[in-house]
Amino acid sequence: EVQLVESGGGLVQPGGSLRLSCAASGFTFSSYDMHWVRQATGKGLEWVSAIGTAGDTYYPGSVKGRFTISRENAKNSLYLQMNSLRAGDTAVYYCARAQPGYGDYDYWGQGTLVTVSS
Amino acid sequence: EIVLTQSPATLSLSPGERATLSCRASQSVSSYLAWYQQKPGQAPRLLIYDASNRATGIPARFSGSGSGTDFTLTISSLEPEDFAVYYCQQRSNWPRGWTFGQGTKVEIK
Repeated sequence: EVQLVESGGGLVQPGGSLRLSCAASGFTFSSYDMHWVRQATGKGLEWVSAIGTAGDTYYPGSVKGRFTISRENAKNSLYLQMNSLRAGDTAVYYCARAQPGYGDYDYWGQGTLVTVSS
Repeated sequence: EIVLTQSPATLSLSPGERATLSCRASQSVSSYLAWYQQKPGQAPRLLIYDASNRATGIPARFSGSGSGTDFTLTISSLEPEDFAVYYCQQRSNWPRGWTFGQGTKVEIK
């Protein structure tokens, strides 16, 4: 059974940093592109970052230069290092697996809440 | 950036009725469009990929159509578990990123 379990969320002050983790199981992690998607309370979904099987990384302009996605295939783990956090980064952060050849998200984690507030 | 506009924002229907949800792209996304369902407190679930392909385990009452800029998600006969928020997503300009629509809430009338 495919499982994605996020951790590392919490309360952080503006300007602070946080590192999210996503533990994957039930599939060959190294063979899949992986993404982070966030959702502010009561709002829609926003793509945050992606990492390919070769370690290539991609970001939208809203987080580029502040967030870093990485993966450790030996540990079946995905990470998101978030620096210079702002109130607007407050959201539930989901990790998601991209379908090979299609890129749509066929599995999602349950999410971890990040709150940026003083 | 490609903008996806979903309509209506809210759809009020009764169980057994047909639901038709629209997603319009600001420029062509070919067939690179997916639909997700999200229930309160849950992660989204993939329903449709590449505009018209049902994901694994998705009931046949869900169908997708369209290409280019105009797409439709149809639920042929609403079941009680179908009342949720639905999002469309495009991936046509990868690797510049994916974008989502703002969502359509299907609520019980």
